[in-house]
Amino acid sequence: QITLKESGPTLVKPTQTLTLTCTFSGFSLITSAVGVGWIRQPPGKALEWLALIYWDDDKRYSPSLKSRLTITKDTSRNQVVLTMTNMDPVDTGTYYCAHVAAGEPAFDIWGQGTMVTVSS
Amino acid sequence: QSALTQPASVSGSPGQSITISCTGTSSDIGSYNLVSWYQQHPGKAPKLMIYEGSKRPSGVSNRFSGSNSGNTASLTISGLQAEDEAHYYCCSYAGSSTFWVFGGGTKLTVL
Repeated sequence: QITLKESGPTLVKPTQTLTLTCTFSGFSLITSAVGVGWIRQPPGKALEWLALIYWDDDKRYSPSLKSRLTITKDTSRNQVVLTMTNMDPVDTGTYYCAHVAAGEPAFDIWGQGTMVTVSS
Repeated sequence: QSALTQPASVSGSPGQSITISCTGTSSDIGSYNLVSWYQQHPGKAPKLMIYEGSKRPSGVSNRFSGSNSGNTASLTISGLQAEDEAHYYCCSYAGSSTFWVFGGGTKLTVL
């Protein structure tokens, strides 16, 4: 059974850097074609894809946020970490991590999400 | 503004069928048969309902079906049930530069 869980601060100040961790079980990020992505959702608004990392360390970023994002993986700990610099109140929302299965180009299993508020 | 355009809301009565459209461009939906659909109930994480345009993950009801035509993808729900009331989001692969784009979401109300 695949599960993912996001963790990180619930409150960050403007201009600070946000670091979120996705801890997963039930799969390995050394398995061919498997990936983990991050998606966020401002309150009452739509989903927005942020970043994705594959088993072979191939990394992809949303073009509009690329300069602020870094995604990394720690296969020994079964974790994927997303950092976002220069946080702004418009970055407030729920941040999800999700599994991408080999041969199934979609986010098939999602974590429960973690709410991040950006405020001074 | 989302990259893919969905109607803000649709509604239907129990037992009826509804279709939610998702309009993109020749750079995303029109070029790749890689549209996925997600169901999201209030306060919950999204759930994958359709991938690669028309494929259903294991466990998803066959009342849910997907299709593509040109730059538009569609999600059809037949035999509407009260539990189908939720937000639905489409998502498409958009090439190696943009990668994934989501729609603005559609709220389905079961009357």
